[in-house]
Order: sequence, then structure tokens, then C-alpha cells
Amino acid sequence: NAGVTQTPKFRVLKTGQSMTLLCAQDMNHEYMYWYRQDPGMGLRLIHYSVGEGTTAKGEVPDGYNVSRLKKQNFLLGLESAAPSQTSVYFCASSYVRTGEAFFGQGTRLTVV
Amino acid sequence: GEDVEQSLFLSVREGDSSVINCTYTDSSSTYLYWYKQEPGAGLQLLTYIFSNMDMKQDQRLTVLLNKKDKHLSLRIADTQTGDSAIYFCAEIPTQAAGNKLTFGGGTRVLVKP
Repeated sequence: NAGVTQTPKFRVLKTGQSMTLLCAQDMNHEYMYWYRQDPGMGLRLIHYSVGEGTTAKGEVPDGYNVSRLKKQNFLLGLESAAPSQTSVYFCASSYVRTGEAFFGQGTRLTVV
Repeated sequence: GEDVEQSLFLSVREGDSSVINCTYTDSSSTYLYWYKQEPGAGLQLLTYIFSNMDMKQDQRLTVLLNKKDKHLSLRIADTQTGDSAIYFCAEIPTQAAGNKLTFGGGTRVLVKP
């Protein structure tokens, strides 16, 4: 049972480049999330989804877009990467009733 | 505002008990959670407590909840070097759509041999 899988694990981008981070979960969870983790800032929610075909903004959505075309997948896109987006990105999914969230292993992104 | 607060750092000797404290914001939060993050890894759910409970024990872990003071603690008995990690408490405020978690800043626990 894989749980939550993120790809890629590491990436270096040049300023202005675009990329998509992929998250896949095999637990049939309705809710999915993208967080970023920065030193001294804790975890901050970027976007989330409460079901297939729906997305909503979190705390720090600017510069990111998301899509949830299939229930098991949640994609995070950076259209024009900036150095301020250098961070570790975590995807998570959760049970609706208890809110237990399960996290992927993270994607370490560096924008130069 | 929505601030879940934790102390930054805890140092403990191997074999001793560790107590990590957290204050949360929403007295109506239904569930409260403890997550563990080891270096280079994602967050791992350790345990959670339902708001109508005062205490929950799970092997070496004991969670205590004081709803009046909005205080949550995690006690780790017989702390091992493998317990060295960052520990996050989290709540889902009742007004949060989509079960959005609000995390504390994390407590870094260092276990010394």
C-alpha cells in the first residue's frame, strides 16, 4: 500500500521556468492538499481540494495553480517559477470524518 | 488569528520521558493531532485525540487534553534516539472547510545517548 506518492523528489528550476508536481493517493480519500514548508514558517497550505473536479485556495496560493481531474491525483503547477518558491512541498490526503491526514515524502524544489 | 503554539526545542536523555506541549486556538476543534517529521521525510501521523476525551494512551505515547486551557501535550515514555525528530501538533478549527489543518511551528526533540 503506497499511501501518498509525490513526484519528483528533487528539482532545480531556473527563474521563469514552469513545472508540475504530481501527487497520487491510493486510499480513496476525498480531500487532498498541497503545503509548503519553509524554515521558521512551519507548514502553510497552498491549495486544497474536497473532491474530484473541485479546488480551493489556501493560505499562500499566489503563483500556483492546481487541478484535480481524477480523485486519486492532485497536481500543483508553477507557471513562472520565482526564487521565493524555493521550498519543500508536501502533498497530503485525508479522511473526511476524522481528518487524519497522510503525507507524501515531499518534493525539494530550488529555483535559481 | 489562528495560531497553534509550541515550544521550539526539547532536549532529553535516552530512557527519560519527553513531554511536548501545545496550545491551540479553537475550543470547539473536534480532533487534535500529533505528527512526527524525521529529517528529509514527510509528516507521519502519530496519534490523535477526540475532543470529548481527556487522555489517550498508545504504547509509549500518552496524549493529554485540557479543553478549558486549550492545552494539548504529548508524553513519550522511555525516549529512544529514534524519537529524535520534529513534532507538530495540529487542529482542525470548526470553521475550516475541507478539514484544513492548522499546524503549530513544531518542536524539535533531540535525544541524547
